[in-house]
Amino acid sequence: QLQLQESGPGLVKPSETLSLTCTVSGGSISRNSYYWGWIRQPPGKGLEWIGNIYYSGSTYYNPSLKSRVTISVDTSKNQFSLKVNSVTAADTAVYFCVGGATQIWLDNWGQGTLVTVSS
Amino acid sequence: QSVLTQPPSASGTPGQRVTISCSGSSSNIGSNYVYWYQQLPGTAPKLLIYKNNQRPSGVPDRFSGSKSGTSASLAISGLRSEDEADYYCATWDDILSGVFGGGTKLTVL
Repeated sequence: QLQLQESGPGLVKPSETLSLTCTVSGGSISRNSYYWGWIRQPPGKGLEWIGNIYYSGSTYYNPSLKSRVTISVDTSKNQFSLKVNSVTAADTAVYFCVGGATQIWLDNWGQGTLVTVSS
Repeated sequence: QSVLTQPPSASGTPGQRVTISCSGSSSNIGSNYVYWYQQLPGTAPKLLIYKNNQRPSGVPDRFSGSKSGTSASLAISGLRSEDEADYYCATWDDILSGVFGGGTKLTVL
């Protein structure tokens, strides 16, 4: 059974870069035909799809965030990461790392980590 | 404003059957599978329904999903207090990529 765990700073200053890492245990991050990605949820609001990276390395991003977002994989550490540039208060949210058979068929979720953007 | 439209709230009494709707368009629900997620208070979402109407192992058969045209529905029969949660529909949009509904807060009265 896969387990996902997010880690990273809980507080980021406006205009800086938000960086989160998801550590995968219970299986290989290089597993065939699997997507890894990120979902976020602003406090008291709904879910927003950020993007995915396929096991082959192909990436898919939410068009509204595409210019600021990068998702990458580190197979040596069994981790994948999220970077969001030029953050504002609107990027304050709980960030979930996820895994699944397609970009939106997500059967594995991390517990989530709150990132607050504030000076 | 979400690409997929859900009612913000729904309610029912124990034992009742409740349905939650999810409305989209030809570029999302109309041409792709629908997924449903359940988010219990203070926890991460959990996959409830995949490929329109399939249940992952461990999900009770009280939960069922359906899709018709550009709309989908989640039905919960034999409502229980532990079903009180937020429910989200999701799909792939051929224009916008992954999309979620705004979520429906289910209250068990």
